[in-house]
Amino acid sequence: DTAVSQTPKYLVTQMGNDKSIKCEQNLGHDTMYWYKQDSKKFLKIMFSYNNKELIINETVPNRFSPKSPDKAHLNLHINSLELGDSAVYFCASSQIGGGGQGRDTQYFGPGTRLTVL
Amino acid sequence: AQTVTQSQPEMSVQEAETVTLSCTYDTSESDYYLFWYKQPPSRQMILVIRQEAYKQQNATENRFSVNFQKAAKSFSLKISDSQLGDAAMYFCAYRPSTYYNQGGKLIFGQGTELSVKP
Repeated sequence: DTAVSQTPKYLVTQMGNDKSIKCEQNLGHDTMYWYKQDSKKFLKIMFSYNNKELIINETVPNRFSPKSPDKAHLNLHINSLELGDSAVYFCASSQIGGGGQGRDTQYFGPGTRLTVL
Repeated sequence: AQTVTQSQPEMSVQEAETVTLSCTYDTSESDYYLFWYKQPPSRQMILVIRQEAYKQQNATENRFSVNFQKAAKSFSLKISDSQLGDAAMYFCAYRPSTYYNQGGKLIFGQGTELSVKP
C-alpha cells in the first residue's frame, strides 16, 4: 500500500500552460506539505496544510495555488508555467496533533518531475 | 532564521567500512526535531533516523546512528558496515517545535552525496 502518492510522476509542458499535481496520503495524517527540489537538489518548503487549513505559504509566487479538499488530499495547481518552475515537487504528510511515537515525522511521496520547455 | 549546513558535498566509503556524515544547524530554540533522509537515484525521500532535541540519548536504527551534540548544534550520521544500497544523497533536516508559528516545516541542508565502493 502506497502511503503518500503523487500523480503524475513526470510532467512535460510548454511555458505559459497551466498544470496540476495531485497528492493523496492514506496514513490518516492531519498535515500535508509541498516541497520544491531544484536542479542542485536543494529542498525547500512551499506550503503546509493542517486539517485543510493553510498554515505556511513560504513566499511562493501566487501562480502556485494549493488546494486541500480534505485531510487526505493536497493538490498543487500552477498557472502560467515558467522555465524556472522546472523542478521536482514533493508532497509529504505528518501527524502533528495527538501523541504517539513517530509523531511529527514527515513521509514523502515519490515526487513529480516537472519540465517546462 | 534557522539554517542547516552540510559541509561535505560528496563522501566515499568502502563497502563494509564506516562513514560519518556531518551536519550543523543554527537555532535559538531549545526544543526541536532533527532528521536524516536518504534520497537514492529513484528520488524517493526515505527517512533514515530521527532525534528529539530533548532526548539526550543518541538515536540508532540498525546500522545507522547519530552523534547529537546539542550545545555544539551538531548532528552527524554514522553508517556502519556500509552496503552498496547505502549509496544515495543524504539530507539533514531540522523541524522547529513551534508548530503554529512555523507550520511544522522541515529545513534541509544542502545534502551529501555518498558513494559506496565495492
